[in-house]
Amino acid sequence: DAKTTQPPSMDCAEGRAANLPCNHSTISGNEYVYWYRQIHSQGPQYIIHGLKNNETNEMASLIITEDRKSSTLILPHATLRDTAVYYCIALYSGAGSYQLTFGKGTKLSVIP
Amino acid sequence: GAVVSQHPSRVICKSGTSVKIECRSLDFQATTMFWYRQFPKQSLMLMATSNEGSKATYEQGVEKDKFLINHASLTLSTLTVTSAHPEDSSFYICSASDPTRSGKGEQFFGPGTRLTVL
Repeated sequence: DAKTTQPPSMDCAEGRAANLPCNHSTISGNEYVYWYRQIHSQGPQYIIHGLKNNETNEMASLIITEDRKSSTLILPHATLRDTAVYYCIALYSGAGSYQLTFGKGTKLSVIP
Repeated sequence: GAVVSQHPSRVICKSGTSVKIECRSLDFQATTMFWYRQFPKQSLMLMATSNEGSKATYEQGVEKDKFLINHASLTLSTLTVTSAHPEDSSFYICSASDPTRSGKGEQFFGPGTRLTVL
């Protein structure tokens, strides 16, 4: 699976949009981009995933660049409960193992 | 979304004792479960992949005789830390996936078990 690079930390004002970038310049055509988050002392939580097209669900939006070398997770109206470590993971979509490899992620602090 | 539970949520034990942690998928059948370990201020590290009815696959550096994994049913996997020592103190997290209802990379995580070995 391709390596991903994320900034170690970010701040966001409560109520504003939080834009979390992820670089995956070596991603292959059959690797998805998955986002998870982990609130302190809890298990990770799935957020969203995508391959080529932008995706949106009730939690967030995922914008993937046309060349697929980077993506951005958008939390449209951040709340204090969104304070967490966010992980961007590239995952091979073919047959076989689908183990998630967690990097260091981005620690998002939502500030009142 | 699917729910995964872990028990206990917190355990304190003496050095040399064994501790069993249970991971259950409550509303779906999980053919595959994963066990992770997380030390303070670090990311999750995959310990092993557990498939129902077969032996677990351990990651490099994880002692299979020390961390016994049993996945006897489609809803239950257990991790037993044998002869625990203080360096085994960590946050243990399991996850489960149900490829029939979600993308294969969508794993549902338990709340974690904090193990402290005195």
